[in-house]
Amino acid sequence: GAVVSQHPSRVICKSGTSVKIECRSLDFQATTMFWYRQFPKKSLMLMATSNEGSKATYEQGVEKDKFLINHASLTLSTLTVTSAHPEDSSFYICSARDVVSGGDTDTQYFGPGTRLTVL
Amino acid sequence: GQNIDQPTEMTATEGAIVQINCTYQTSGFNGLFWYQQHAGEAPTFLSYNVLDGLEEKGRFSSFLSRSKGYSYLLLKELQMKDSASYLCAVMDSNYQLIWGAGTKLIIKP
Repeated sequence: GAVVSQHPSRVICKSGTSVKIECRSLDFQATTMFWYRQFPKKSLMLMATSNEGSKATYEQGVEKDKFLINHASLTLSTLTVTSAHPEDSSFYICSARDVVSGGDTDTQYFGPGTRLTVL
Repeated sequence: GQNIDQPTEMTATEGAIVQINCTYQTSGFNGLFWYQQHAGEAPTFLSYNVLDGLEEKGRFSSFLSRSKGYSYLLLKELQMKDSASYLCAVMDSNYQLIWGAGTKLIIKP
């Protein structure tokens, strides 16, 4: 089946630095990718929807200048956490939408997640 | 390799009970999640099992057997709004999530 990868799988950084997380669809083209944050009680919060070649759509309450999203190709979206703070420490998960030509299949595949720890 | 298996699609009748199975083979185990996802929406957390046994939460229950690499999600008193995809995910020894492909549940009147 379709595979979505994320890199790095875990990262530790100092407060004030920026961290880039990559999300790749490995065997399909994804015009749409989603970025989620998992909270301690396991719920997933949608942060933004990333569309290839256009600006990302951010959910209410998510700072677009802090969480920069770039979807430069049909297989890659990046999330950059700028000027990271300890409260940004979390598990970030991406997903990629696979829409088979003709529209008969529309499935979302999830990545393994990236654990960010900000010291 | 790591693998999560769950049925692609299931159909059930309103008011009935349905059990969605999930089997897994992963490098280590740090818990199993069930999420519900309606089309076009973000997944909603349903349950998290890390110990063997049954956890009940209202109409939804989740069961885990670590020795068998097996879990199921049990939905009772099905309602039309329960029509959705149900995702099983396992956190492995590296705290990475391994996702199943999801089970599309269709509820008929």
